[in-house]
Amino acid sequence: QVQLQESGPGLVKPSQTLSLTCSVSGASISSGDFYWTWIRQPPGKGLEWLGYTYFRGTTYYNPSLESRLTISQDTPKNQFSLRLTSVTAADTAVYYCAKEPYLDPYVEDWGQGTLVTVSS
Amino acid sequence: DIQLTQSPSTLSAFVGDRVTITCRASQSISWSLAWYQQKPGKAPKVLIYKASRLESFVPGRFSGSGSGTEFTLTISSLQPDDLATYHCQQYKSFPWTFGQGTHVEIK
Repeated sequence: QVQLQESGPGLVKPSQTLSLTCSVSGASISSGDFYWTWIRQPPGKGLEWLGYTYFRGTTYYNPSLESRLTISQDTPKNQFSLRLTSVTAADTAVYYCAKEPYLDPYVEDWGQGTLVTVSS
Repeated sequence: DIQLTQSPSTLSAFVGDRVTITCRASQSISWSLAWYQQKPGKAPKVLIYKASRLESFVPGRFSGSGSGTEFTLTISSLQPDDLATYHCQQYKSFPWTFGQGTHVEIK
């Protein structure tokens, strides 16, 4: 049973950087079996897929956020992280980390999600 | 980006009713579509992947069909536990995208 758990500040000031970490248990993020993904959901709105990190740190970012977004891995800790710069109120959302099988990349497992509010 | 349009946005039905939700893609996505159920305050959970494959431990009253640009999620007999928002997602072409969601209410 794979478990994912997000952690990080719940409040970030406008123009600052939002940083979250996802701790993974039950699977190795350094294997080539899965994409390790971030997805967000603004309050009362739909889901937005942000991007992934994969084997040996390969990444892909949603072009809508590419200039502000970095996703990285810490393989010894079996964690991956999200960093979003120059945040505004529009970045207020529940952020989920997730796992997608490489060969059929639907979202197979989700973290419980963490609410990040951008406000001064 | 591939746009996904779900209909209806909200659906209200009785326990025992057959319920159908549609997801239309702006271009062909073959069978690369998943359906998720999201209960209030919780993370989504996958119900269906590859358009029609039922995820393990998902009740058999859920089924998916379709290919190309039109897909459906059917609940054969609506149960009180099915109160939730349902999302479709395409994973044919990056960036993956979601529909806007369908909220299912119990009458």
